[in-house]
Amino acid sequence: GAVVSQHPSWVICKSGTSVKIECRSLDFQATTMFWYRQFPKQSLMLMATSNEGSKATYEQGVEKDKFLINHASLTLSTLTVTSAHPEDSSFYICSASSRQDRRETQYFGPGTRLLVL
Amino acid sequence: AQSVSQHNHHVILSEAASLELGCNYSYGGTVNLFWYVQYPGQHLQLLLKYFSGDPLVKGIKGFEAEFIKSKFSFNLRKPSVQWSDTAEYFCAVFMDTGRRALTFGSGTRLQVQP
Repeated sequence: GAVVSQHPSWVICKSGTSVKIECRSLDFQATTMFWYRQFPKQSLMLMATSNEGSKATYEQGVEKDKFLINHASLTLSTLTVTSAHPEDSSFYICSASSRQDRRETQYFGPGTRLLVL
Repeated sequence: AQSVSQHNHHVILSEAASLELGCNYSYGGTVNLFWYVQYPGQHLQLLLKYFSGDPLVKGIKGFEAEFIKSKFSFNLRKPSVQWSDTAEYFCAVFMDTGRRALTFGSGTRLQVQP
């Protein structure tokens, strides 16, 4: 149980194009999903918290207009990197929150490696 | 500001050696504690978690961790490591600040030599 998938697993795009990454909770409903970015040999940095049916909450320093997040259903959240530039190249990881009796555990997707040329 | 520290950045052990990875956090309120593992080329997997109760928690693959509230620590242990334990280990803390997000440590790279 508690499986989270991401699609695509990797993507290469030209500078200036937009890229959409999907995050799905496969066997549970997630009212909250999280988007992280991981640089090589570094820890995960939270970008935003996505709540189903409402606007995402972005961390300080993360551009809302550049990283569009949509959480339209309890099992799907999307991250769109708009007008991508080489500095956006990174490993993007989502997690979905499973909550039981006020105890919350995050389960992580496999990540999406983005390379912007 | 709240933070999570993992002091061991890179640990090299021989098979059958015992392992202890340190994790400390700076927050005086209620916490939930997690250890995640990331095997080479794979995604983060939950090793174990602590919410309340017995401060010694057991996880998968023979790992355990002990929450010591007075030391703000949640160290990960395994009595005898295997080559397959080679991975990156992340400590993560949920703090009841109203911000529903995990704070991650910087990670510890464990290399087990056969």
